[in-house]
Amino acid sequence: QSALTQPASVSGSPGQSITISCTGTSSDVGGYNYVSWYQQHPGKAPKLMIYEVSNRPSGVSNRFSGSKSGNTASLTISGLQAEDEADYYCSSYTSSSTGVFGGGTKVTVL
Amino acid sequence: QVQLQESGPGLVKPSETLSLTCTVSGASVSSGSYYWSWIRQPPGKGLEWIGYIYNSGSTNYNPSLKSRVTISVDTSKNQFSLNLNSVTAADTAVYYCARGGVISSWRHWGQGTLVTVSS
Repeated sequence: QSALTQPASVSGSPGQSITISCTGTSSDVGGYNYVSWYQQHPGKAPKLMIYEVSNRPSGVSNRFSGSKSGNTASLTISGLQAEDEADYYCSSYTSSSTGVFGGGTKVTVL
Repeated sequence: QVQLQESGPGLVKPSETLSLTCTVSGASVSSGSYYWSWIRQPPGKGLEWIGYIYNSGSTNYNPSLKSRVTISVDTSKNQFSLNLNSVTAADTAVYYCARGGVISSWRHWGQGTLVTVSS
């Protein structure tokens, strides 16, 4: 299975909105509504931010939102804050009943 | 609340077997509703899904690791374990255990443990 494709880096100024894409195939992202997004700060474990494409776990800011169109899922962070600077990973269920991650995107707050 | 904690050797020699245990508190590994998973992250690189155990016996693994991986559960100790044999330097990584409600989504994670493969 191939990793999902994410941009290596995305940046934005405080208060702006940014969007991170996650592109797969019809055998993973496009075929199921089981895309999740994780935030990872240096030296820390990943934190679930979005599950099942667009659902937020309790405690996650509503500044984070998810969507999907075809084989591409997206994570949007609105009202960008300094604390949002981190690495972000998407994951998806696959037709082989496995999981697969994206390569990760480094978000920089300018 | 649900907590997971990885444990095991931090240094493994090439060609030997990497063995890690995840101790779970606040939930039962024998619950049939969750996927108890292992995920790893080489230094400076991205996350890689290793595999899961479900309902105390059903497993599935990353195809790229399938020939070398075994995940098992010990319900008496409320733990699940990872064995990865014939390791090389490419297996050096932070290894995380995690719990998910679906195969590819994990809400609860351990803190991670660094395993270095070196002679």
